[in-house]
Amino acid sequence: DGGITQSPKYLFRKEGQNVTLSCEQNLNHDAMYWYRQDPGQGLRLIYYSQIVNDFQKGDIAEGYSVSREKKESFPLTVTSAQKNPTAFYLCASNSDYRAYNQPQHFGDGTRLSIL
Amino acid sequence: GDSVTQMEGPVTLSEEAFLTINCTYTATGYPSLFWYVQYPGEGLQLLLKATKADDKGSNKGFEATYRKETTSFHLEKGSVQVSDSAVYFCALGTVNSGGYQKVTFGTGTKLQVIP
Repeated sequence: DGGITQSPKYLFRKEGQNVTLSCEQNLNHDAMYWYRQDPGQGLRLIYYSQIVNDFQKGDIAEGYSVSREKKESFPLTVTSAQKNPTAFYLCASNSDYRAYNQPQHFGDGTRLSIL
Repeated sequence: GDSVTQMEGPVTLSEEAFLTINCTYTATGYPSLFWYVQYPGEGLQLLLKATKADDKGSNKGFEATYRKETTSFHLEKGSVQVSDSAVYFCALGTVNSGGYQKVTFGTGTKLQVIP
């Protein structure tokens, strides 16, 4: 079955530490997205990528970084500059980054907490 | 800018009751509209969508009609089951100034169905 795999499911970060969240898709989708979900706030866009080796900042990119070296993979690094990283992180993909009428497909998320 | 407003939850219903979750939106142009469902500890799954005015999206007994005149996309189901307990997100899809898909999510409405 095609889909999006996020790992790990739970992750703990120490103060001053960078952590990387993995996102892999086998849907052959061009576009990939990272969202942050906080209770009562819906989803907020962190970064998105429409093609390999290209990505754009979303609404809350500060303290985060990404790479897109392969079509299937879009890892997110939460840096020590992100002072409030505790949240549920969701990766999504879309077959065509220009198609506003296409739904996004989501992974099952990674829950990040501070130690 | 674009925005989505959903009714606050939680919504608590008895099994077999009628469900309505209100959603209104603000957007320039003609967005596509989506309802996603999120079960505990999981990512979002597309429930239904509508891409133009007066379209009705439907899936698994859920329905929503794209009402341009009232800028609404209310979710309805005639008879809810315990298994429908989840968080429901209304969302709109547009294209940003760079030509990329942008999805704006509501804050989610938690539904609890009791036997």
